[in-house]
Amino acid sequence: LAKTTQPISMDSYEGQEVNITCSHNNIATNDYITWYQQFPSQGPRFIIQGYKTKVTNEVASLFIPADRKSSTLSLPRVSLSDTAVYYCLVGERPSSASKIIFGSGTRLSIRP
Amino acid sequence: DSGVTQTPKHLITATGQRVTLRCSPRSGDLSVYWYQQSLDQGLQFLIQYYNGEERAKGNILERFSAQQFPDLHSELNLSSLELGDSALYFCASSVRAGQSNTEAFFGQGTRLTVV
Repeated sequence: LAKTTQPISMDSYEGQEVNITCSHNNIATNDYITWYQQFPSQGPRFIIQGYKTKVTNEVASLFIPADRKSSTLSLPRVSLSDTAVYYCLVGERPSSASKIIFGSGTRLSIRP
Repeated sequence: DSGVTQTPKHLITATGQRVTLRCSPRSGDLSVYWYQQSLDQGLQFLIQYYNGEERAKGNILERFSAQQFPDLHSELNLSSLELGDSALYFCASSVRAGQSNTEAFFGQGTRLTVV
């Protein structure tokens, strides 16, 4: 499983765009990049997944350069409710035999 | 609502005791994953079951065991409990036959307090 490195914590303000970068130098050909969000005392929730280039959904964008050794989660116009821990995961998609491994995550704090 | 149900939500027990945590996966999901999250710590992968069989194992203690039943619900058994076992225990489900499975869906967790 590819090891991921992401900032321990980040601070921002309401209305700003927040970019969280994750490094994964040992990403394998079959690996996808997936981001989850976790609020205190709740289970993680899927945000977005990508393999290469750019993926966008209703809550975030994911930018992946051509070498796939890093990725950036972009949250547009954050609000207080975006305060959470964000996990970057690199690995194969869930299958009949797969470990879904979480790293330490980035603790994002949004201020008014 | 993720569709994954965990019971009980809270559990308080004494050291040395044994408890069973239950997880009902999303309808149609064949895989169940168990995680432990201690206070302000990350999610530690414990074990994965697929259609009743153990398929992947993490750093699960020998005092812990799990199983997945024919109806696909799963139970995590924790025995000889120690104070350090106090944590949130999450169950997740995924993997539907014939589909491209992108994500795991997590339950709300069981908060275990060992006193």
